[in-house]
Amino acid sequence: NFMLTQPHSVSESPGKTVTISCTRSSGSIASNYVQWYQQRPGSAPTTVIYEDNQRPSGVPDRFSGSIDSSSNSASLTISGLKTEDEADYYCQSYDSSNPVVFGGGTKLTVL
Amino acid sequence: QVQLQESGPGLVKPSETLSLTCTVSGGSISSYYWSWIRQPPGKGLEWIGYIYYSGSTNYNPSLKSRVTISVDTSKNQFSLKLSSVTAADTAVYYCARPAATYCSGGSCYPGWFDPWGQGTLVTVSS
Repeated sequence: NFMLTQPHSVSESPGKTVTISCTRSSGSIASNYVQWYQQRPGSAPTTVIYEDNQRPSGVPDRFSGSIDSSSNSASLTISGLKTEDEADYYCQSYDSSNPVVFGGGTKLTVL
Repeated sequence: QVQLQESGPGLVKPSETLSLTCTVSGGSISSYYWSWIRQPPGKGLEWIGYIYYSGSTNYNPSLKSRVTISVDTSKNQFSLKLSSVTAADTAVYYCARPAATYCSGGSCYPGWFDPWGQGTLVTVSS
């Protein structure tokens, strides 16, 4: 079994850029797609990035995703931070033994 | 567009079986995978399992001995049963559909989940 490890929390000021990491414990991060979800309090998660770096329609281009094989991690970058971006963010991936694995989630505070 | 709605009791007694149903509207339940995901209060997301419309299933190994997911294509619904519940099973339970599936070597895996139901809180307490 592999795990996806995210920082518990990050904070940044409006207008700045923040990056949230998602590190895979075993197996290559590049072998299986990584998805990213945003979850606001009291709401179901919504997809902000799918298949490593694809944005669903309606998601601003301030959101971007990337993969770094050297650190075996995926990253979600949000630029031009807005107060409305304050939420919990989760990464998700899979492999042949673990069809669905979520990261522990990162609380983003926009101060 | 497809919409999902969870329904079922909000309170279950310890040692009993939790039962939830997800009703799919705006589209057919056929030709897709359908999943259950839960989130304990203040904690992260945990995948419970998924079912293909034909009835094949895959469960989280940590819950496998207690979980049954079934599908009723005539009602456009799929269901979750979780037996022998304890307080640790208190959570918001979501149903969701993978927007894509990735198939390799005869096995298929869910991609990103979209749409999700709104979620339903189930509390395990006597």
